[in-house]
Formats: sequence, C-alpha cells, structure tokens
Amino acid sequence: KAGVTQTPRYLIKTRGQQVTLSCSPISGHRSVSWYQQTPGQGLQFLFEYFSETQRNKGNFPGRFSGRQFSNSRSEMNVSTLELGDSALYLCASSRAGGQEETQYFGPGTRLLVL
Amino acid sequence: DQQVKQNSPSLSVQEGRISILNCDYTNSMFDYFLWYKKYPAEGPTFLISISSIKDKNEDGRFTVFLNKSAKHLSLHIVPSQPGDSAVYFCAASAGPGFQKLVFGTGTRLLVSP
Repeated sequence: KAGVTQTPRYLIKTRGQQVTLSCSPISGHRSVSWYQQTPGQGLQFLFEYFSETQRNKGNFPGRFSGRQFSNSRSEMNVSTLELGDSALYLCASSRAGGQEETQYFGPGTRLLVL
Repeated sequence: DQQVKQNSPSLSVQEGRISILNCDYTNSMFDYFLWYKKYPAEGPTFLISISSIKDKNEDGRFTVFLNKSAKHLSLHIVPSQPGDSAVYFCAASAGPGFQKLVFGTGTRLLVSP
C-alpha cells in the first residue's frame, strides 16, 4: 500500500508570496492532519481535516489555511509568507482520526522563505 | 508554553546497551502518549503508544513507561542497535475526540557499534 505522499518536496519562496502544499493520504484514510516542524519548536499541530471539514485547529494565524477534497487529498495554503514560516511541513493520515489510531506521516515539504 | 518536554537534545549509547529517552508533560488532560522515530529526509514513524490507564507497554525491544503522578514517560530500547540512531519524539493527546498531537522537541539518539 502506498504511503502518504507530499508535493512538492522542496520549495523556495520570498516574503509576501503565498504557497500551496499538497498531501495525498494513504488509500482509505479520511483524516489528514498538518504539522509544522521548526528546530526550536518541534512539531506543532496546524489543523486536521475529515470528510472535507476542518475538525480541529492549532494556534496558528489565519494566514495558514487548508482544505480537503472528496478524495481525501488535502492542501495547505500559507499567504503573505514571512521568514519565520521557513519550516518542514508534514502531513499525516489515519482512517478516521480517532485518538488511538496511528497517524502515518509523509516525508514533508521543506519550505524556505527568503 | 511547551506542554511536552524532552530535556535531552541528544543521547549517545553503545550497541547492545539500554537507551532511555525521557519525556515530561505539564497538561494533566493528556491521556494518550506516543513515541515516534524520525530519520533524516523522512516523516516520523510511529513506534509505540500507551494509554493513561496503563503504566507500561512493551513491543519487542521497545518499552514505554508512564508515571502519571510525575507526569513523566520514558522509552527504553533494549538492546540498542546502530539502526536505532534517529530523532525520537514523544507526543501526547487529550481525548476522547479527534487527533491533535502535541510533540516534544525531540532527542537525537546515536547508537555506536
């Protein structure tokens, strides 16, 4: 079974631009979560989508948004990029997003904002 | 405010010895805890988990211990192998409900032959 895939793997943007990252979950998985990993903060939860609805949200500004499509694929958008948005963005999928379900992570998209 | 803390950024252990990775948490609402392992250029991989109704969970060479009164959990790897060299993250969630993991900052484990 194919794992979680994320595209693109690497991205360079400049301040003020916007960016869209994509995540394809494991087949049959309907829950997709997004995390930001930075050296100082570790992994921080951004949001979780299930059946095209955002169910849970972390403490990030409104510049960070996402959506999920009917095939469970998800996109994350960051508008008006800031230098501090440089990070590894990880998505994870699970069947239904239950607390004790294992989340399977993709390899991440490394974003560099110049 | 870091609710999940891994105070040791790195740990070096010899092959065959025990590796003990520690994690402290502050939020008493956390009731489910996990350990993930991460290799460079890959996403985190689930290793082992424990519910707050237990104080120990074992899976092969990996054992997680939970001390709720101290708000502390640890991961024991016995015996350690060079392939275990990676960054280990502990994570916690407060349920029931949806998945929202709070991660620690990670501990880099180096197992030398």
